[in-house]
Amino acid sequence: DIQMTQSPSSVSASVGDRVTITCRASQDIYSWLAWFQQKPGKAPKLLIYAASSLQSGVPSRFSGSESGTDFTLTISSLQPEDFATYYCQQANSFPWTFGQGTKVEIK
Amino acid sequence: QVQVVESGGGVVQPGRSLRLSCAASGFTFDDHGMHWVRQAPGKGLEWVAVIWYDGRNEFYGDSVKGRFTISRDNSKNIVFLQINNLTAEDTAVYYCARGSGYGGNAESLDYWGQGTQVTVSS
Repeated sequence: DIQMTQSPSSVSASVGDRVTITCRASQDIYSWLAWFQQKPGKAPKLLIYAASSLQSGVPSRFSGSESGTDFTLTISSLQPEDFATYYCQQANSFPWTFGQGTKVEIK
Repeated sequence: QVQVVESGGGVVQPGRSLRLSCAASGFTFDDHGMHWVRQAPGKGLEWVAVIWYDGRNEFYGDSVKGRFTISRDNSKNIVFLQINNLTAEDTAVYYCARGSGYGGNAESLDYWGQGTQVTVSS
């Protein structure tokens, strides 16, 4: 199975900060990576698919990039509604696997 | 609008079985693969299973293989998850999610339900 290693596990940031979250795949996943946002008690929400494609309706301050087996989610200017937990997920081969999650907290 | 609504969760004794349902609407159901994802209390997301648009292929996560069965009824726009021999480790919120395509790889989980809670306890 493909292992997804996400870092950091948590980050403290202020409104307006630039936040970067990284996910590393244990093998080549050919850009088939998604990013999700989850707020407490709510279902996950798709933000980015295919490593860098923005899901419809998602603000443009969210972006994704890749370099080999390393993937990055960037929030360019953190907004109050962005405080949540973020997960990466590979969709290259079954079983699909998620990263451990990154909690973005208010500094 | 696309909607998926899970049901069937509850408190169940260890060793018993449970069938979860997911009712879909707002899209052409038999054009899409359907997935189940679960989340144990305070833990991360775990992908559980997928069934292809036509029901002819299924894949499972390693921890559930052999005990869980995913199925679908395209005439009623419903997907099911049969869970047998429940253990405490199956306690989780179970989410149903639509695949962006037919159910294969290289797709995304683009719409999610609100989840149904399964608690395994004696």
